[in-house]
Amino acid sequence: AQKVTQAQTEISVVEKEDVTLDCVYETRDTTYYLFWYKQPPSGELVFLIRRNSFDEQNEISGRYSWNFQKSTSSFNFTITASQVVDSAVYFCALSEAAGGFKTIFGAGTRLFVKA
Amino acid sequence: GAGVSQSPRYKVAKRGQDVALRCDPISGHVSLFWYQQALGQGPEFLTYFQNEAQLDKSGLPSDRFFAERPEGSVSTLKIQRTQQEDSAVYLCASSLTGGRSGNTIYFGEGSWLTVV
Repeated sequence: AQKVTQAQTEISVVEKEDVTLDCVYETRDTTYYLFWYKQPPSGELVFLIRRNSFDEQNEISGRYSWNFQKSTSSFNFTITASQVVDSAVYFCALSEAAGGFKTIFGAGTRLFVKA
Repeated sequence: GAGVSQSPRYKVAKRGQDVALRCDPISGHVSLFWYQQALGQGPEFLTYFQNEAQLDKSGLPSDRFFAERPEGSVSTLKIQRTQQEDSAVYLCASSLTGGRSGNTIYFGEGSWLTVV
């Protein structure tokens, strides 16, 4: 069965601190896709990154970076030098090639960045 | 429009009332999804359309929930005889291509339903 666990319910940091959001997933499929989305107070889920199971290369995009490790079934997300505008709920999600059309989301981590 | 558009943004319904939520996906997107998001939770899959065909409705919680996409573009999610447990944000999403997983899906801002 597919499952996504985001153990951190809420994280609070001071601006300019680095912060890592954890994501652990479970799947029996060998082909799968992992995602991170940001949900600001407006409610819209904003796509951040998509990674397939065959590409373990870490990725950096500006202040954002992602660490994908199949050995530990983790896909962690780090924000460097956090800013107040980063305050939002962040969701990790999983989609299996054999799992039909659905994407499974974790419960989310609420990030507060204080000035 | 450039993104997924949903209406109404906010809906308050009396228990037992029927509601209809509309989704206008990104132009040209083949796939359309409906998700339900309860307060403090992640989105949960309801149903999937590829063009006008509803290929997966395994997430619809009861037969009071019905979705359609008759012309392969705009979709409507209808909830009959609403109950308090139906209170949630209903998110619509679309993706460019059809087929199975891996496609990036783009979400609308959601329709916030409160049943009183």
